[in-house]
Amino acid sequence: TQLLEQSPQFLSIQEGENLTVYCNSSSVFSSLQWYRQEPGEGPVLLVTVVTGGEVKKLKRLTFQFGDARKDSSLHITAAQPGDTGLYLCAGAGGNKLVFGAGTILRVKS
Amino acid sequence: NAGVTQTPKFQVLKTGQSMTLQCAQDMNHNSMYWYRQDPGMGLRLIYYSASEGTTDKGEVPNGYNVSRLNKREFSLRLESAAPSQTSVYFCASSVYSGLIYEQYFGPGTRLTVT
Repeated sequence: TQLLEQSPQFLSIQEGENLTVYCNSSSVFSSLQWYRQEPGEGPVLLVTVVTGGEVKKLKRLTFQFGDARKDSSLHITAAQPGDTGLYLCAGAGGNKLVFGAGTILRVKS
Repeated sequence: NAGVTQTPKFQVLKTGQSMTLQCAQDMNHNSMYWYRQDPGMGLRLIYYSASEGTTDKGEVPNGYNVSRLNKREFSLRLESAAPSQTSVYFCASSVYSGLIYEQYFGPGTRLTVT
């Protein structure tokens, strides 16, 4: 069974701080996706990384896929209250995804 | 274009009752999925349908059945609800673009079994 471990589980920071969320596995994935989920809603896809070592930027969010395609990180620069939510990583194997347990991020103003 | 829709949004059942959760997508996606989400456990796959006419078990299929009614609709049935099935249920559909499948989620159904 493929497992994805996310850390930290919970992060509470002040507006303007930087943070990094990690997603690790002992398995290799063909691609890795990051989702953001707000309370009462379904997850929304933020980005997909496919190539080992790949770095993608989405405004203040930077996503990196490990060289061995087993791990990934999400870095947020100058966090804002609007970044508050649950961040989920998901590893792809064929047309199915394996999800991590998620990181709850709270950004205080 | 509504994306993925789910009904109902909330439901309370007594142990032993049955119900069907409905899901529909208007994006012409081939694959559809049912997940449950519990605190601290992320999303776990219950069943999925790679294409119209096919269904397969996921990680936690016990106590559930599914029907892929047509390309648009994929329903999840609880025949005899148990308190352990209290959860938030998400339906998703996916499209294949290049090397990857990208999933799109519905708003969820919050189910409580007493």
